[in-house]
Amino acid sequence: QSVLTQPPSVSGAPGQRVTISCTGSSSNIGAGYDVHWYQQLPGTAPKLLIYGNSNRPSGVPDRFSGSKSGTSASLAITGLQAEDEADYYCQSYDSSLSGLAVFGGGTQLTVL
Amino acid sequence: EVQLVESGGVVVQPGGSLRLSCAASGFTFDDYTMHWVRQAPGKGLEWVSLISWDGGSTYYADSVKGRFTISRDNSKNSLYLQMNSLRTEDTALYYCANQRGRYSSSSHPFDYWGQGTLVTVSS
Repeated sequence: QSVLTQPPSVSGAPGQRVTISCTGSSSNIGAGYDVHWYQQLPGTAPKLLIYGNSNRPSGVPDRFSGSKSGTSASLAITGLQAEDEADYYCQSYDSSLSGLAVFGGGTQLTVL
Repeated sequence: EVQLVESGGVVVQPGGSLRLSCAASGFTFDDYTMHWVRQAPGKGLEWVSLISWDGGSTYYADSVKGRFTISRDNSKNSLYLQMNSLRTEDTALYYCANQRGRYSSSSHPFDYWGQGTLVTVSS
């Protein structure tokens, strides 16, 4: 089980809006650590999608947005497109582990 | 253009050892913390280890602690992962990733990822 909990799958029709949640605890997201999101298209390496909870790197469409509140974070995708079909991962840090960085279990987005 | 190219992945027997390499280019290597992240077949991402700019600080996931050792050679712009006492559950695609800053910080994401190198632990 991952320290950060994501729904295994979400789906939506083209043009719709979907959200992906990332639920943590007081030792990670709730401790004030930033949350970052990555998109992994089929057969490719992960790519940075959202950093610092809500910031988009250059080149990422503004259809993608992130937010954080309390011990959770969310990724929202509006105007769904077929090319958005991918796995999405949240990532943060955790102070209760001997290591540092942690990932969510990942969410598979299907565009219907 | 930032490039991270992993190598060294092979099929190895349980209990065996392996050294992965990651060749970096396109950025000032010693200004970055470096990470290894792995992905078992059909599974999610699992953070493995990180190393600060000078190798002075290293951290490991509990699942690999005591068996894996991360290191870097800034003169060669290279990152390494020495993997000992390998187990079948270590089978995965291993990615290297860079993180801005000489020391790891939750404020900075993993900016770029390599394409990964596949490690298979099987008898």
